Amino acid sequence: GQNIDQPTEMTATEGAIVQINCTYQTSGFNGLFWYQQHAGEAPTFLSYNVLDGLEEKGRFSSFLSRSKGYSYLLLKELQMKDSASYLCAVLDSNYQLIWGAGTKLIIKP
Amino acid sequence: GAVVSQHPSWVICKSGTSVKIECRSLDFQATTMFWYRQFPKQSLMLMATSNEGSKATYEQGVEKDKFLINHASLTLSTLTVTSAHPEDSSFYICSARAGFPQETQYFGPGTRLLVL
Repeated sequence: GQNIDQPTEMTATEGAIVQINCTYQTSGFNGLFWYQQHAGEAPTFLSYNVLDGLEEKGRFSSFLSRSKGYSYLLLKELQMKDSASYLCAVLDSNYQLIWGAGTKLIIKP
Repeated sequence: GAVVSQHPSWVICKSGTSVKIECRSLDFQATTMFWYRQFPKQSLMLMATSNEGSKATYEQGVEKDKFLINHASLTLSTLTVTSAHPEDSSFYICSARAGFPQETQYFGPGTRLLVL
């Protein structure tokens, strides 16, 4: 079966750095996405990785290792507004998006 | 990023009535749109995949006669909740698949449905 694993909840301090991990087992791989979802709102696209390595976009970076079936989202200089759920999703061989359950990130002052 | 709109953002209706939700891709053409449902504090649940000009593909457990999907053009898909009941109250979110970056789904703002 297809499976995406990410921690249910994480807590971090304002100004710090946090890494949210995602491991996956899917039938085929056509890329991995990270989305941010604030409470009561729809998800917004953060990043897309299809090749191994680190993609940096401002305070957010996303890393992929296809051989390990592993990705992480790195958030630097955390702000209170970063409190949200972060969803990992993998595009499988049929171009179906397989969703993780999301990681709720709580930022404390 | 690409823009997807959804209308209405809020609906309150009586049990037994039907509700139509529209999803539009504003600055790109989307051959494929998706409808999701999300209950409070739960994950996104894919309901169906909507392809322009053809019948929608429904996920297991989703009643196609209750949740009618029409994808009449490359920029518009509609979801009609027929004979709505209180248990249909949820947050309905559409997404449209753009080709940039590859196959990225962009989400509409969502529609909150409350059935009394």
